[in-house]
Amino acid sequence: DIQMTQSPSTLSASVGDRVTITCRASQTISRWLAWYQQKPGKAPKLLIYKASSLESGVPSRFSGSGSGTEFTLTISSLQPDDFATYYCQQYNSYSWTFGQGTKVEIK
Amino acid sequence: QVQLVESGGGVVQPGRSLRLSCAASGFTFSSYAMHWVRQAPGKGLEWVAVISYDGSIKYYADSVKGRFTISRDNSKNTLYLQMNSLRAEDTALYYCARDPTQYAIGYMDVWGKGTTVTVSS
Repeated sequence: DIQMTQSPSTLSASVGDRVTITCRASQTISRWLAWYQQKPGKAPKLLIYKASSLESGVPSRFSGSGSGTEFTLTISSLQPDDFATYYCQQYNSYSWTFGQGTKVEIK
Repeated sequence: QVQLVESGGGVVQPGRSLRLSCAASGFTFSSYAMHWVRQAPGKGLEWVAVISYDGSIKYYADSVKGRFTISRDNSKNTLYLQMNSLRAEDTALYYCARDPTQYAIGYMDVWGKGTTVTVSS
């Protein structure tokens, strides 16, 4: 199975900060990677698919990049609504796996 | 609007069975693959199973293979998860989610709110 490792596990930041979350795959997954945002008590919400494609309705401050085994999610200017947990997920093969999550906290 | 509503969760004893349902509305259910994803209390997301748009392709996580069965009834716009031989470690919030492709080669673009399964004696 493909393992997904996110870093950091927790990130403390302030409104207006540029934030970057990294996701590494244990083997190459081309660009078959998605990013989700989850707030407490809520279902995950798709942000990015195919590594860098922005889901409709998602603010443009969110962006994704990478290919192969290294990927990043960047929030260009952190907003109050962005404090949440973020998950990467690979869909390269018929076995979907998520990263362990990165919690973005208020500094 | 596009909506997924899960039901069927509850408290069940170890070794017993439970069937979850996911009712879809606002889109052509029969054109999309569907997933089940779970989240144990305080933990991350774990993919459980997927079924193609026509039910011809099914895949399972190793942790549930042989115990869980995913199915769908396109005439009722409903997805199911039959869970047998339940264990304490199956305790989680179970989400159904839509795959934007027919043959389950995609991500998850629409999610339900989830239904809670607690396995306890």
